[in-house]
Amino acid sequence: SYVLIQPPSVSVAPGETAIITCGGNNVGSKFVHWYQQKAGQAPVLVLHYNSDRPSGIPERLSGSNSGNMATLTISRVEAADEADYFCQVSDTVVFGGGTKLTVL
Amino acid sequence: QVHLEQSGAEVKRPGSSVKVTCKTSGGNFKNFGISWVRQAPGQGLEWVGGFVPMYRRGLYADKFKGRVTITADESTTTVYLDLNSLTSADTAVYYCAKDLGASSPLDPWGQGTLITVSS
Repeated sequence: SYVLIQPPSVSVAPGETAIITCGGNNVGSKFVHWYQQKAGQAPVLVLHYNSDRPSGIPERLSGSNSGNMATLTISRVEAADEADYFCQVSDTVVFGGGTKLTVL
Repeated sequence: QVHLEQSGAEVKRPGSSVKVTCKTSGGNFKNFGISWVRQAPGQGLEWVGGFVPMYRRGLYADKFKGRVTITADESTTTVYLDLNSLTSADTAVYYCAKDLGASSPLDPWGQGTLITVSS
């Protein structure tokens, strides 16, 4: 089955830029969706179709997808961004292992 | 806007079965499916299966085939997850999420149901 690889953790200071990667074989040929999960809460969709933001998601979140890597970028990181982030490919419900974003 | 409301937490004995409910509201029930995703404590997300309205039946991840059944009641716009032969490895939060199929994302999600399997 298809495998998506994410780094277990990413740490950034407030105001800096966080980059969370999602690696998979030729993932650039698929759509990737990103979910944010805060402690004790259900996942929330924050990016779909690689780079589109659902209503209510700030412009600080952006995405790209090419080759074997998809990326979620969070600019001007805030304390409220601290959460787990999961990627998912579009043609099957397969998730990456998740990345814990810590805001220092 | 579709809203999903799940049943409450349960504690089950090993070898028993559990039925988790996902009540939908705010949308046309015939126009979307529901996926079930579970998350073991401290772990990632794992797709269990989903209900596909076009075919009026469930589709299941290979890992759970033979142990899981997903059904729907149109009259109450509710989807059910039945999981049997429970073991401690099934201890997890189970989420339902709206699934439009094809390449669409899962959105929104229910609040989650904690199933604890313990003797």
